[in-house]
Amino acid sequence: SQQGEEDPQALSIQEGENATMNCSYKTSINNLQWYRQNSGRGLVHLILIRSNEREKHSGRLRVTLDTSKKSSSLLITASRAADTASYFCATDGNSNYQLIWGAGTKLIIKP
Amino acid sequence: DGGITQSPKYLFRKEGQNVTLSCEQNLNHDAMYWYRQDPGQGLRLIYYSQIVNDFQKGDIAEGYSVSREKKESFPLTVTSAQKNPTAFYLCASSIGSSYNSPLHFGNGTRLTVT
Repeated sequence: SQQGEEDPQALSIQEGENATMNCSYKTSINNLQWYRQNSGRGLVHLILIRSNEREKHSGRLRVTLDTSKKSSSLLITASRAADTASYFCATDGNSNYQLIWGAGTKLIIKP
Repeated sequence: DGGITQSPKYLFRKEGQNVTLSCEQNLNHDAMYWYRQDPGQGLRLIYYSQIVNDFQKGDIAEGYSVSREKKESFPLTVTSAQKNPTAFYLCASSIGSSYNSPLHFGNGTRLTVT
C-alpha cells in the first residue's frame, strides 16, 4: 500500500492563482519530501521537511506538515505556466535508503 | 556541470531479450537508486546501492539485476524474466540516505518491449 497519497490527482488553475496539493501518509515519519516532475523528465527535489518542523518556505513554495493528522500540503503562490508539472510527496520507507512515493498531483497552469 | 546521465533516452527491444540501461553520475554521491515509473503511479524502487560493490533489492527487484563496480556507474539490466518491462526507468543518487538527503534524478530511459 502507498505511504504517501496526493490529493487531488489533477488540478487545473489560471496563471497567477495559488495551487495547493495535499499528501497523506499512514505511519510515523522522520522526514517528508516534495518533488516536481516535468513531463517525460526526471524528478527535481523541492523541499524536505522534518517531523519536528511545521512549516518551510522556498521562494513561492510553502510546505506544511501536520504529524497529528499525518498530512502535508504544498502551496505554490502566484502560479506560472512553468509550474505545470506533476508533484510527488515521498516519505520514509522500510530502510534509510527507501522512500515511499505517492501517485502524484498533476498541475496544469492555464495562461 | 554535475549531474546524472541516463542513456539511451528511448529503448526498444523484442520480448525475450535482455537489455542494459546506463546510469552515470559525477556528483561524487555514494548512494544510487533505480526506480520504475508506470503511468499514474508513484515511483517503485528496484535496487539501490549505498556504496561501491554493494547493492540491495528494493520492492520490485524480480527480473532485474544491477552492478556497482565504480562509484560513478550503476547500470540496470532488465532480463527476459521481467514479465512487464515496458516502463519509464529513473536513476537517482544521493549523498547519504534518501531519508535525509535529496535525491538527484537523471532524465530517464523509456523502455518499450514488444
